Amino acid sequence: DSGVTQTPKHLITATGQRVTLRCSPRSGDLSVYWYQQSLDQGLQFLIHYYNGEERAKGNILERFSAQQFPDLHSELNLSSLELGDSALYFCASSGGLGFYEQYFGPGTRLTVT
Amino acid sequence: AQTVTQSQPEMSVQEAETVTLSCTYDTSESDYYLFWYKQPPSRQMILVIRQEAYKQQNATENRFSVNFQKAAKSFSLKISDSQLGDAAMYFCAYRRTGNQFYFGTGTSLTVIP
Repeated sequence: DSGVTQTPKHLITATGQRVTLRCSPRSGDLSVYWYQQSLDQGLQFLIHYYNGEERAKGNILERFSAQQFPDLHSELNLSSLELGDSALYFCASSGGLGFYEQYFGPGTRLTVT
Repeated sequence: AQTVTQSQPEMSVQEAETVTLSCTYDTSESDYYLFWYKQPPSRQMILVIRQEAYKQQNATENRFSVNFQKAAKSFSLKISDSQLGDAAMYFCAYRRTGNQFYFGTGTSLTVIP
C-alpha cells in the first residue's frame, strides 16, 4: 500500500459525459501528479500540482482540468468524453520530508462507451 | 529538455538467470534522481530502486541493482536470479529539481520458466 488513494476504482460512462477522479496523496506529500495510461502504453504526464498551485502541464487536453485543494487532495475533471479517453488514470504524490520518489495510487480505470 | 529513453520494448529471461534493462536520459543538470518502477499485470506502479546522482555508489535492493554511469547518462537495471514474479513492465524515471518527473516508454519483461 503506497498510501495514495484514488476513487473510484472503476468508472464506466458514455461519450459526451463528464467525470471527476479523486486523489488523496500520502500524508505529508505536497505534490500531486496525474498520468494517463492507455492500453499497452507508457505513462503520459498530464499535470503537476504543488501545495495547491499548478506547477507543470504535460499532454493534457483542454477538455481536462485539475485542481488541488487546501487539504492537498486533488481532482481531475474530464469532460466531453470520447472513446479515446478510455484509460487508466494514475495519481502519484511526492515531496514528503526525506522522500524524493513518486508513490502511485492504484489508478482509476475509465471506460467510455 | 529532459528525456528518458528505454530502447528495449521487450526482454525475456530464463528463470534464475540475470537480465539487464537499459535506460538513458538527457539532462543538463548535475543534481537529480533516477528510479526504476515495476508495473505487474495488476497495473499497480511499484518503486523498485532509486539512485541519487550525487552518489557514485550504485544502488542495490536485494536482487535488483543498477549500473549508473553519470557521464554517459546511463542507468541500467540488473535483475539477478530472476523469478516468475519479476515479469512486468519496467519504467525508468528521472526526477529533476522542482519535483518534475519524466518516464521512459517501458520495457516488458517476460520470465521463462
